[in-house]
Amino acid sequence: EVQLVESGGGLVQPGGSLRLSCAASGFTVSGFWMHWVRQAPGKGLVWVSRIKSDGTTTYADSVKGRFTVSRDNAKNTLYLQVNSLRAEDTAVYYCARVRGGDIAAADYWGQGTLLTVSS
Amino acid sequence: QSALTQPPSASGSPGQSVIISCTGTSSDVGGYNSVSWYQQHPGKAPKLIIYEVNKRPSGVPDRFSGSKSGNTASLTVSGLQAEDEADYYCDSYAGSNTIFGGGTKLTVL
Repeated sequence: EVQLVESGGGLVQPGGSLRLSCAASGFTVSGFWMHWVRQAPGKGLVWVSRIKSDGTTTYADSVKGRFTVSRDNAKNTLYLQVNSLRAEDTAVYYCARVRGGDIAAADYWGQGTLLTVSS
Repeated sequence: QSALTQPPSASGSPGQSVIISCTGTSSDVGGYNSVSWYQQHPGKAPKLIIYEVNKRPSGVPDRFSGSKSGNTASLTVSGLQAEDEADYYCDSYAGSNTIFGGGTKLTVL
């Protein structure tokens, strides 16, 4: 059974850093494209970052230079390093798996982890 | 990287049909057959209900269907049921990134 479990969220001061984790089971993370998507309280879904199976990464303009996506193949885990945090980064962060052979559709999602940026 | 345009709300009575639109540009919706639709109930993670414009994942009722014309994609929910009340989001591949719509709250009257 495919499962994604995010962790690492919490309360961070503006300018701070955190690393979000997404532990995968039931499939191999390195064999699929993976997304990070966030949702601010009461707002819509916003795409944050993608890592392809070949390791290529892309980012939304709003996080470029501050966020870094990576994966640990041995731990079958996806990460999102978030630096220079701003109040507007406050959101539930979801990791999601892109369907095999697809380039966009996310067929499995984690339950999300809440990141709150506040002093 | 502007969000795709969706109506903020839609509604219909049980048994009726509702269409939700998702408008982008030739660089996203119009340029690729990679439009997806997600259903999200309050406090839950999104669920994929349509991929590649008009395909349904296993287990998704055929009451949900998708289409695309030019830069606008559409989700049709036929035979509305109470459990269809949720937020609906479209997304599209856009080359270097992926873009979501702003979301539509579907109310079953």
